[in-house]
Amino acid sequence: EPEVTQTPSHQVTQMGQEVILRCVPISNHLYFYWYRQILGQKVEFLVSFYNNEISEKSEIFDDQFSVERPDGSNFTLKIRSTKLEDSAMYFCASSGGILNEQFFGPGTRLTVL
Amino acid sequence: QKEVEQNSGPLSVPEGAIASLNCTYSDRGSQSFFWYRQYSGKSPELIMFIYSNGDKEDGRFTAQLNKASQYVSLLIRDSQPSDSATYLCAVNKGLNDYKLSFGAGTTVTVRA
Repeated sequence: EPEVTQTPSHQVTQMGQEVILRCVPISNHLYFYWYRQILGQKVEFLVSFYNNEISEKSEIFDDQFSVERPDGSNFTLKIRSTKLEDSAMYFCASSGGILNEQFFGPGTRLTVL
Repeated sequence: QKEVEQNSGPLSVPEGAIASLNCTYSDRGSQSFFWYRQYSGKSPELIMFIYSNGDKEDGRFTAQLNKASQYVSLLIRDSQPSDSATYLCAVNKGLNDYKLSFGAGTTVTVRA
């Protein structure tokens, strides 16, 4: 069964450093998403991506964040200068259509020291 | 008003019983509704989705949607200890609103 994959599973970084989180969505899906979940809190939407451009972003997704689909399979989230409050689980998701179910990857736990 | 609200729980049910989870949403125009299960430290796993008013059954799970009341529920029949998890209600507004808005989740514990 096809699934979303994410790497790394855990990333530890120093405050102010850049991190890139990687995702491989399900191959025939067209819509890609990043969410985050701070420990003990609800899942929050960051950004959606369709047709090689951002289709929607939340207020969390400020200038420090960017997304890219560098090739036909990978979908990346970059945080330019990490802050302590960026520590969270980051989930990538993909779907086949705008109203379709979204399938989540296993997540990357980001720890900013 | 929160976009998606769920019973805070925790909800404790004996093995074999029915667990009933509730969710309300604020945007009347919302179009698709999802239930995810999340084990501690893991990612959300889709278990049910529903688009139309009424009931939808899949195995031991039944989702119920009432758009007039802006209410969606999940019933878990014959609850098993492996059903112990946090259940997340998520709503998609559609109409070029791509994101899922999640509730805070209801933690379910099934007692053996």
